Amino acid sequence: KQEVTQIPAALSVPEGENLVLNCSFTDSAIYNLQWFRQDPGKGLTSLLLIQSSQREQTSGRLNASLDKSSGRSTLYIAASQPGDSATYLCAVTYQGAQKLVFGQGTRLTINP
Amino acid sequence: EAGVVQSPRYKIIEKKQPVAFWCNPISGHNTLYWYRQNLGQGPELLIRYENEEAVDDSQLPKDRFSAERLKGVDSTLKIQPAELGDSAVYLCASSLGSLAETQYFGPGTRLLVL
Repeated sequence: KQEVTQIPAALSVPEGENLVLNCSFTDSAIYNLQWFRQDPGKGLTSLLLIQSSQREQTSGRLNASLDKSSGRSTLYIAASQPGDSATYLCAVTYQGAQKLVFGQGTRLTINP
Repeated sequence: EAGVVQSPRYKIIEKKQPVAFWCNPISGHNTLYWYRQNLGQGPELLIRYENEEAVDDSQLPKDRFSAERLKGVDSTLKIQPAELGDSAVYLCASSLGSLAETQYFGPGTRLLVL
């Protein structure tokens, strides 16, 4: 079964720390992998999209990596701020499924 | 540029009642998606449209759910009759074209079935 797993389910860190969120997927035959942010009661905002042929993408303080062979992606957040507090979702477009498959998300809290 | 618009934002109904959700995608986006997100979970695809055509509705419970996308723009998702287990957030998303492109999500409709 094509699944996406995110660990941990929740993470709390002090402001200013660098942190890494993890995502694993079960099948290397993917079109792309996306990281989304979801604030309470809101929809999803796309942060980074990594195509299957790419190894990483960067946007500001965010850097996402992709390792298809190991079925893993990481989202690195530098110099975390309280405004980064949200749920971060990883989603994979599997070639076979032809749809985005989401992980359960990591709820991140940045403490001032 | 306006984002994906959804209405209503919240809906409370009693079980066995019908309910409908409306979505207006970003202008020019050919692909439209409906997702359901249960509490504490990631969204799950219900149906995907390419223009007017439903190209993936394998996860749509067809006994009670229906959807349409007339003229390849706006879309409506309907539940009739609603069950307690349908309580969730219903998200609409759109993208320019293929699955290789970024999906843009609306704010969602939060449904509570009593």
